[in-house]
Amino acid sequence: DTGVSQNPRHKITKRGQNVTFRCDPISEHNRLYWYRQTLGQGPEFLTYFQNEAQLEKSRLLSDRFSAERPKGSFSTLEIQRTEQGDSAMYLCASSEVPGAYEQYFGPGTRLTVT
Amino acid sequence: KNQVEQSPQSLIILEGKNCTLQCNYTVSPFSNLRWYKQDTGRGPVSLTIMTFSENTKSNGRYTATLDADTKQSSLHITASQLSDSASYICVVSAGSSNTGKLIFGQGTTLQVKP
Repeated sequence: DTGVSQNPRHKITKRGQNVTFRCDPISEHNRLYWYRQTLGQGPEFLTYFQNEAQLEKSRLLSDRFSAERPKGSFSTLEIQRTEQGDSAMYLCASSEVPGAYEQYFGPGTRLTVT
Repeated sequence: KNQVEQSPQSLIILEGKNCTLQCNYTVSPFSNLRWYKQDTGRGPVSLTIMTFSENTKSNGRYTATLDADTKQSSLHITASQLSDSASYICVVSAGSSNTGKLIFGQGTTLQVKP
């Protein structure tokens, strides 16, 4: 197992287009998290899943954002009608158990909306 | 409002020197505190995790301290190396141990010069 992977690593899109990112967590990790990180800031929590259930969503996750984890393995994050303010690094993390246990981060997807 | 604040915002030191990064938090209920290292364009990598009862934890040349009474933490780096150049992020896990939701500081950007 090589850790959390994310695809694509970079995405440039025009305003108004839809984009979808994929995250493959570490095998058998039941928790999966999505974060957004803008330049010079720390990551901000967006949402997380336990297996296929989406348990919490941040207020940052507007109606244009949707995340799924249909089979409890990989997850997708879709942004509809992208805006320039959506430009950021989108990070995915997974953990084996919650609480004090480690969250392992993927390399992130850098989104640029022109 | 749950917040994590770090200082300094950026730091430049010479190779071989020591440095200390600071973190203050107002998070309740507190679960644990983590320090992450994030290289440019990469996802964060965990350095240390400390629970309420732990005062100090080391990981090689990295030593983190936690004062739960004053809600302060520090990360001390000894004998810095060029590869230590990165952003160091203080992260507090809020809520019960079942949540795993992380609140990130904005990071301290460290540059180690030869």
